[in-house]
Amino acid sequence: DVKVTQSSRYLVKRTGEKVFLECVQDMDHENMFWYRQDPGLGLRLIYFSYDVKMKEKGDIPEGYSVSREKKERFSLILESASTNQTSMYLCASSSGAGGSYEQYFGPGTRLTVT
Amino acid sequence: AQTVTQSQPEMSVQEAETVTLSCTYDTSESDYYLFWYKQPPSRQMILVIRQEAYKQQNATENRFSVNFQKAAKSFSLKISDSQLGDAAMYFCAYRGSGNTPLVFGKGTRLSVIA
Repeated sequence: DVKVTQSSRYLVKRTGEKVFLECVQDMDHENMFWYRQDPGLGLRLIYFSYDVKMKEKGDIPEGYSVSREKKERFSLILESASTNQTSMYLCASSSGAGGSYEQYFGPGTRLTVT
Repeated sequence: AQTVTQSQPEMSVQEAETVTLSCTYDTSESDYYLFWYKQPPSRQMILVIRQEAYKQQNATENRFSVNFQKAAKSFSLKISDSQLGDAAMYFCAYRGSGNTPLVFGKGTRLSVIA
């Protein structure tokens, strides 16, 4: 079974702090994604990566950055957390080798910025 | 840009009854994939069913089936013999040709009444 894990289920940070959200997948997937999920807004894509050291902006990249130094790990960074970044963050991965490119999701990190 | 619309923010169904969740999408492509994902309360998002646009036959997975109307750009999910465990957020998603990210709808929250 594909396993996507995220470093924390719940996280509370202060405004202005630098925040790291880590995601690891164990299926040798090329593609990795970061979404935020808010009530009534669905899932919005923040950043994605098709390969190590590659990154692409999604629909809402402002205030975020990412890092992918190893194939299995994709980190989301909030350089200076703000209260409007309080949200559920979901990581996902998929094979880049063709087919339906089905995405597999992690359990999510609920981040609260106070 | 492709868009996915789920017009029903919330729905409810009696246990053992059938319910249909609606999804429409907008695209100019002819080759694409459509997905329904399920997110149970406080649990991981999982794939329920997928449909390849080039296949005319509607996909079926046990109690879950889709009604794919390509010309109408409609992709509804039918859940038969609803069970309490079906209560969840359901997201419709679209992926175009090639290795591109999924585009999600805003979700439908399904409640199952015992």
